[in-house]
Amino acid sequence: AQSVAQPEDQVNVAEGNPLTVKCTYSVSGNPYLFWYVQYPNRGLQFLLKYITGDNLVKGSYGFEAEFNKSQTSFHLKKPSALVSDSALYFCAVNQVYSGAGSYQLTFGKGTKLSVIP
Amino acid sequence: DSGVTQTPKHLITATGQRVTLRCSPRSGDLSVYWYQQSLDQGLQFLIQYYNGEERAKGNILERFSAQQFPDLHSELNLSSLELGDSALYFCASSVLQGSGTDTQYFGPGTRLTVL
Repeated sequence: AQSVAQPEDQVNVAEGNPLTVKCTYSVSGNPYLFWYVQYPNRGLQFLLKYITGDNLVKGSYGFEAEFNKSQTSFHLKKPSALVSDSALYFCAVNQVYSGAGSYQLTFGKGTKLSVIP
Repeated sequence: DSGVTQTPKHLITATGQRVTLRCSPRSGDLSVYWYQQSLDQGLQFLIQYYNGEERAKGNILERFSAQQFPDLHSELNLSSLELGDSALYFCASSVLQGSGTDTQYFGPGTRLTVL
């Protein structure tokens, strides 16, 4: 069965410093990996995804993620954190659910990012 | 704004009752997904519909059901509600029937409180 793990419940970083939110995955076959962000009392917003190709994926709001097949990781990064980046971040993997070809997103438990002014 | 709308935003009801949550997908999207988010279970996939037909089922209780109508909006019906059903329910939509590369766009959610 597919799964993702976000080993840190919370990450604190000072404003202006680089940030990393970690994610590891376990799938059979090719992984399709996603990052979403959830602000308080809001829905999930899509940030970026890895399908194939370049291991460094660029997304919204200056975020990027690095896919590492040998380490089965897909860490989210940003060179310079903003206070407004404070939110809950979810990593997800999409893999075929059934022979009918339908895919299912499986989410990690989420990492709360706090950017300190 | 993702373009996915959900109503109502908040719902407070009593145990044993039945409620209906509504979702309108982004224009042009044919797939609708339902998720439940709770503190103890995290984000759990419930069910997916594509162009009116059920495509995939996740951790959905028998007390819960869903459907997608010809205009592509979807409803999630929750019956015989229990305290443990209190959660945030999200709808998401995507263009395709659930290709692995397809991005799901989420609505703002419906917060259900069962008293």
